[in-house]
Amino acid sequence: KAGVTQTPRYLIKTRGQQVTLSCSPISGHRSVSWYQQTPGQGLQFLFEYFSETQRNKGNFPGRFSGRQFSNSRSEMNVSTLELGDSALYLCASSLDRGLGNEQFFGPGTRLTVL
Amino acid sequence: QKEVEQNSGPLSVPEGAIASLNCTYSDRGSQSFFWYRQYSGKSPELIMSIYSNGDKEDGRFTAQLNKASQYVSLLIRDSQPSDSATYLCAVNSGNTGKLIFGQGTTLQVKP
Repeated sequence: KAGVTQTPRYLIKTRGQQVTLSCSPISGHRSVSWYQQTPGQGLQFLFEYFSETQRNKGNFPGRFSGRQFSNSRSEMNVSTLELGDSALYLCASSLDRGLGNEQFFGPGTRLTVL
Repeated sequence: QKEVEQNSGPLSVPEGAIASLNCTYSDRGSQSFFWYRQYSGKSPELIMSIYSNGDKEDGRFTAQLNKASQYVSLLIRDSQPSDSATYLCAVNSGNTGKLIFGQGTTLQVKP
């Protein structure tokens, strides 16, 4: 079974631009969570999508948004990029929500903001 | 107080030894606990999940959970140089897809 895929793998943007990242979960998985990883803050939860609805949101500004499609694929968008948005963005999928559901990570998208 | 705490290390062990990685969490209502391994430049890879008090073994890995002490650990037996990585402890407090991660412990296994 194919794993979680993320595109693109690398992105270089300048401040003020916006970016869209894509995530395709493992086949049959319905829940997608997004995380930001930086050397200083570690792995931080951005948001969770299940059945095309945002179920949970982390402590990030409104510039960070996302959505999920009917096939469970998900996108996240960051508008008005700042230097501090440079990070590895990770998508994780799980079969369902809640207790007992293991999350499997994709390879990530490395975003550099200049 | 951080929600999930790990000693950042590095933890250095000789090849063939047992590596012991520890994690404490603050939310007493936490129900699901996970250990991930992350090699430099790669994404986290799930090693173990544990939900009940006690030990859970999978090959060379044993996860231990003590909810009363709010403590979860990972033992790696017969450590190999290929085990050298950062080990992340993650906790799920509720019926959600939100994992809270510790900062990770760097493990170095010396040949």
